[in-house]
Amino acid sequence: AQKITQTQPGMFVQEKEAVTLDCTYDTSDPSYGLFWYKQPSSGEMIFLIYQGSYDQQNATEGRYSLNFQKARKSANLVISASQLGDSAMYFCAMRGGNYGGSQGNLIFGKGTKLSVKP
Amino acid sequence: EAGVAQSPRYKIIEKRQSVAFWCNPISGHATLYWYQQILGQGPKLLIQFQNNGVVDDSQLPKDRFSAERLKGVDSTLKIQPAKLEDSAVYLCASSLRGDRGFLMNTEAFFGQGTRLTVV
Repeated sequence: AQKITQTQPGMFVQEKEAVTLDCTYDTSDPSYGLFWYKQPSSGEMIFLIYQGSYDQQNATEGRYSLNFQKARKSANLVISASQLGDSAMYFCAMRGGNYGGSQGNLIFGKGTKLSVKP
Repeated sequence: EAGVAQSPRYKIIEKRQSVAFWCNPISGHATLYWYQQILGQGPKLLIQFQNNGVVDDSQLPKDRFSAERLKGVDSTLKIQPAKLEDSAVYLCASSLRGDRGFLMNTEAFFGQGTRLTVV
């Protein structure tokens, strides 16, 4: 069975500093995708970044980067130069291959609440 | 491009009453999901549609929950009768789907959700 684990219920970071949010996953599928979503207090889930299991390089999207360590089954999100608007819940999610699990379904972790201090 | 639309945003009902949520996905998105997000947890899939057919409803409590997606566009999720533990945010999401199955890197686009409180 596929599983996502986020062990940090809450994190604090000073404005303009970098922060790493942890995510580990478990799957038997050789092909899978890893996603990070941001959920502000308004409730909408906002897609941030994607990493494929066969991607050779770590994904980057602006201030977001993904530290992908396949052997350790970890996909940590790094946010550089934190801003007050980054305060939100952050969810790690996984999509497995079509030969295992649901077709295209995203499986989410429990999330990490990030608070950025001025 | 318009996003995923959901209504209502908030709903308060008494236990044993019924309630319905509506979702309009992004135009052209063949796949539609309903997720349940209980406070303090990540979203959990309730049902997934591909066009107007059900792909996965293994975690849908079918004795009280039902969902339909007529004509492969809008979708309605219903709870009847509601229980206290149904209090949650119900998120609708949609995705494109490639001709040869799912594109692995296809993100799901989410609506703002409906916050249900059962008292």
